[in-house]
Amino acid sequence: AQSVTQLGSHVSVSEGALVLLRCNYSSSVPPYLFWYVQYPNQGLQLLLKYTTGATLVKGINGFEAEFKKSETSFHLTKPSAHMSDAAEYFCAVSDRSNDYKLSFGAGTTVTVRA
Amino acid sequence: SQTIHQWPATLVQPVGSPLSLECTVEGTSNPNLYWYRQAAGRGLQLLFYSVGIGQISSEVPQNLSASRPQDRQFILSSKKLLLSDSGFYLCAWSHRQGGYTFGSGTRLTVV
Repeated sequence: AQSVTQLGSHVSVSEGALVLLRCNYSSSVPPYLFWYVQYPNQGLQLLLKYTTGATLVKGINGFEAEFKKSETSFHLTKPSAHMSDAAEYFCAVSDRSNDYKLSFGAGTTVTVRA
Repeated sequence: SQTIHQWPATLVQPVGSPLSLECTVEGTSNPNLYWYRQAAGRGLQLLFYSVGIGQISSEVPQNLSASRPQDRQFILSSKKLLLSDSGFYLCAWSHRQGGYTFGSGTRLTVV
């Protein structure tokens, strides 16, 4: 069975600083991995995904993530935080053996200080 | 293009009243559909999922039920709401290796 661990339920960064959100997964098969963002009282929006191919994946809003099989990680980064990045972020892994059902991490709330 | 509609956006209901939340998908056929709940500080909890009409799998025993009367319609219901049913409810459909697309959510407050 797949599972996801997000390290840190809250992250606070200064505007312009690096954003780093950590995600580790467990999977019995090569994983499909996702990062979603959720703004208050809204649904989740896909930021980026890794399925196959290049391990460095670029997404929307300047975010990127790198799939590292040896570390079973899929950390999300953004070089320079903007106030609009304040939101909750979810990492997810797809269970290809169970109709691609997603398993989500507990989420990381990002606050951005001016 | 595929779209997902979820309504209402907000709902305030008294304890013991019934509930019906509706979700519809456009632009695809035979999607896998999901209902999630977010309670404060508890992440995403999968409530139900469906792989076809009339096929419902329940992940968590609770006061809620789900139905799929049509291919692209997914309904979340309750006969009598509890205070603990308050939360943010999200519908989603999956496109396999592409992940999920979520609706905009319903904020339910049971008073």
